[in-house]
Amino acid sequence: QPVLTQPSSASASLGSSVKLTCTLSSGHSSYMIAWHQQQPGKAPRYLMKLDRSGGYDMGSGVPDRFSGSSSGAGRYLTISNLQSEDEADYYCETWDSDTQVFGGGTKLTVL
Amino acid sequence: EVQLVESGGGFVQPGGSLRLSCAASGFTVSTYYMSWVRQAPGKGLEWVSVVFSGGTTHFADSVKGRFTISRDNSKNTLYLQMSSLRPEDTAVYYCARSSNGGTDYWGQGTLVTVSS
Repeated sequence: QPVLTQPSSASASLGSSVKLTCTLSSGHSSYMIAWHQQQPGKAPRYLMKLDRSGGYDMGSGVPDRFSGSSSGAGRYLTISNLQSEDEADYYCETWDSDTQVFGGGTKLTVL
Repeated sequence: EVQLVESGGGFVQPGGSLRLSCAASGFTVSTYYMSWVRQAPGKGLEWVSVVFSGGTTHFADSVKGRFTISRDNSKNTLYLQMSSLRPEDTAVYYCARSSNGGTDYWGQGTLVTVSS
């Protein structure tokens, strides 16, 4: 089954942009993934689904500061004009026939 | 509006049982993949179980043989029956809906604590 690898942490300044990475394991580079945001003490929130061509489907109410892109086995979440409320954990997720797989999550700190 | 509302969490001793419920509104549970995902304190998200729209079920190895997943179409509700609970099952349990390759709605979660 696929493995999703995410850096454990990232940081960027208020008002700047940050690009978070989720890497699919070998042999799974064609997989679609979903990005989720989890603010402290809250349930996860769906952000977008992202396919291998970089096309994505945004969740309801997600600001257009959030965008996605793909390159090979990499799936990326870019957040522009960072706000304080963007400080959260970000998880990627995929499916492999009968199994749901999550990355380990990236903790984003807004400086 | 799609909503998922979990209930049934609580404190239970090792070896005990608990049944979680997830009441859905705004869509029909039987037409989607419905999952349970858990998050241990301070840890990441871990998939637990899924029931597909056709009724097929699957479980993570860590809960296989101890947990069962089901749905009541008349109540539009998803369930997770947990037995032989262990301290390592302590977590917030989330109900989630998936479609077209990914989860698109989450519940608010219910806390399960397994401890003596």
